[in-house]
Amino acid sequence: EAQVTQNPRYLITVTGKKLTVTCSQNMNHEYMSWYRQDPGLGLRQIYYSMNVEVTDKGDVPEGYKVSRKEKRNFPLILESPSPNQTSLYFCASRIPATGVDNEQFFGPGTRLTVL
Amino acid sequence: KNQVEQSPQSLIILEGKNCTLQCNYTVSPFSNLRWYKQDTGRGPVSLTIMTFSENTKSNGRYTATLDADTKQSSLHITASQLSDSASYICVVSHNTNAGKSTFGDGTTLTVKP
Repeated sequence: EAQVTQNPRYLITVTGKKLTVTCSQNMNHEYMSWYRQDPGLGLRQIYYSMNVEVTDKGDVPEGYKVSRKEKRNFPLILESPSPNQTSLYFCASRIPATGVDNEQFFGPGTRLTVL
Repeated sequence: KNQVEQSPQSLIILEGKNCTLQCNYTVSPFSNLRWYKQDTGRGPVSLTIMTFSENTKSNGRYTATLDADTKQSSLHITASQLSDSASYICVVSHNTNAGKSTFGDGTTLTVKP
């Protein structure tokens, strides 16, 4: 089944404790992206990757890192999480990176709470 | 100011009725405009994708329209069902930077029996 998976789905952590949220897709998509969703603010783009070893900042990249060492995986890293990073996070992928029928597929979400 | 504005913020309709959701954007130039449906606590699911040269796109009971001159899009839902209760999100992708997308805040639709 074609899908985007995220792990963990739920995470409660404390301020300053490094964490990684994994994202994997099995559709051979070039493009992957991370978003956060907060009440009243909608989805905001954190980082995106047009292909392996190519990453760029979205609208809210502060406090986050990403890597794209292989096409299927795009982990989101919080080196020193803070309470304002408490949010619902979504990973997404699509192919091709540009074009018309490039439907974007979203993962199920990771609910992160930073105490 | 958000470059993608959606209205209304929320909407309640009776099952079987039609409704129209609005999206105004200032992103320019843009590559494509998408409408998504998001159930509570789940990832968005694509409904329609349109480029600037397309005026309308249908997906079952969902029909999206686009006026690139006025930078307006609408999503029309016909014969609503209880399962249509969700948030509907308008997303505009940038033409000069295909990797960037700007999301509207969404319209929360509630369909009541």
